[in-house]
Amino acid sequence: ETGVTQSPTHLIKTRGQQVTLRCSSQSGHNTVSWYQQALGQGPQFIFQYYREEENGRGNFPPRFSGLQFPNYSSELNVNALELDDSALYLCASSPGGNEKTQYFGPGTRLLVL
Amino acid sequence: DQQVKQNSPSLSVQEGRISILNCDYTNSMFDYFLWYKKYPAEGPTFLISISSIKDKNEDGRFTVFLNKSAKHLSLHIVPSQPGDSAVYFCAASLNAGNNRKLIWGLGTSLAVNP
Repeated sequence: ETGVTQSPTHLIKTRGQQVTLRCSSQSGHNTVSWYQQALGQGPQFIFQYYREEENGRGNFPPRFSGLQFPNYSSELNVNALELDDSALYLCASSPGGNEKTQYFGPGTRLLVL
Repeated sequence: DQQVKQNSPSLSVQEGRISILNCDYTNSMFDYFLWYKKYPAEGPTFLISISSIKDKNEDGRFTVFLNKSAKHLSLHIVPSQPGDSAVYFCAASLNAGNNRKLIWGLGTSLAVNP
């Protein structure tokens, strides 16, 4: 059974650019959640996808968008990058939208200059 | 407004002794609590959880205690080992309709000294 994987591991962008981060969920899991973790903070919930539909959203602007594919892998897209978007982006998968325990990937560290 | 608070940013413990990590919460709607452990350059790893209907859950060296009246939970690690050195996050979960919201504390960095 493979765990949650994310790509890339890290990247550098400039303000105003767009970025796409990718996540493959754990085998058998149909739900993916994305989190942003700024330095010294706990993870903040961005949104969740369940069976290819958005299933809940945190307090993030519309320039944060996502997709989930039929194989339950997922993308996080961020448009018009701002300096404050620099953070570790974590993807977590679970067997269902209402599942209490989530399993995390290693994260993608994004630096916006 | 921080709904889940870990007031100790760091903790240092001698190998073999007990580590106690604390967490306080404000929202009485939380019905499930989790502890995650995070090493540098890795994602959080699920460690142990407890339902709000219980006051204790034990798994090997790890025990979580929940005091609902005080809105307080703690993670006990005994005996502590150097490999336990990591950042520990407390997270609280509540039912948000068709999904669950997970609210995190800021973490406590535990150092276990040989």
